[in-house]
Amino acid sequence: SQQGEEDPQALSIQEGENATMNCSYKTSINNLQWYRQNSGRGLVHLILIRSNEREKHSGRLRVTLDTSKKSSSLLITASRAADTASYFCATDLTGANSKLTFGKGITLSVRP
Amino acid sequence: GAVVSQHPSWVICKSGTSVKIECRSLDFQATTMFWYRQFPKQSLMLMATSNEGSKATYEQGVEKDKFLINHASLTLSTLTVTSAHPEDSSFYICSAKTGVNEKLFFGSGTQLSVL
Repeated sequence: SQQGEEDPQALSIQEGENATMNCSYKTSINNLQWYRQNSGRGLVHLILIRSNEREKHSGRLRVTLDTSKKSSSLLITASRAADTASYFCATDLTGANSKLTFGKGITLSVRP
Repeated sequence: GAVVSQHPSWVICKSGTSVKIECRSLDFQATTMFWYRQFPKQSLMLMATSNEGSKATYEQGVEKDKFLINHASLTLSTLTVTSAHPEDSSFYICSAKTGVNEKLFFGSGTQLSVL
């Protein structure tokens, strides 16, 4: 099965609400990354959190990492309609020059 | 930020023809490039990893003779789908990374439709 698995698979919220997305993985990692994909487009890197970090912030994004539970969460605060997209977590097992393994993704819909 | 340009954005071809997709890093040198395939509402499936000047490393189950990858320079990698068939229809995405930067920079993807 996938190294990274997100839940829920789909999330629909009202503009202004917070969106929380979760990712679980199976093996030890060097870092975990979150990406966003608009329909029919490539992915855009959002945030990277290393295995020795527990929380990171970037603008309206907050990501946490719990290596004991092998899980991560991405929180988008004060969501906007423009945040509507698919969100993927990706795990990096060994760091630089290694490949990422992507989860199945979460489809976020933010209603205006 | 780093820009990766992928062309074409979409291509329609007849069964049996070959299609070449280009992936260029515009403002950085990509030591490693990755090629993915993505089905609708699915995750990215890694097809192969290519390093400049060496042969690509293909993932299990990916036919190297069908999906030819060339990474001739630090800014260009190409994926050629040879003798394409309708089952090859998919969204193909490339990504690139530099030697020390762990994050990936993605192209905008190519939608391939084989008739």
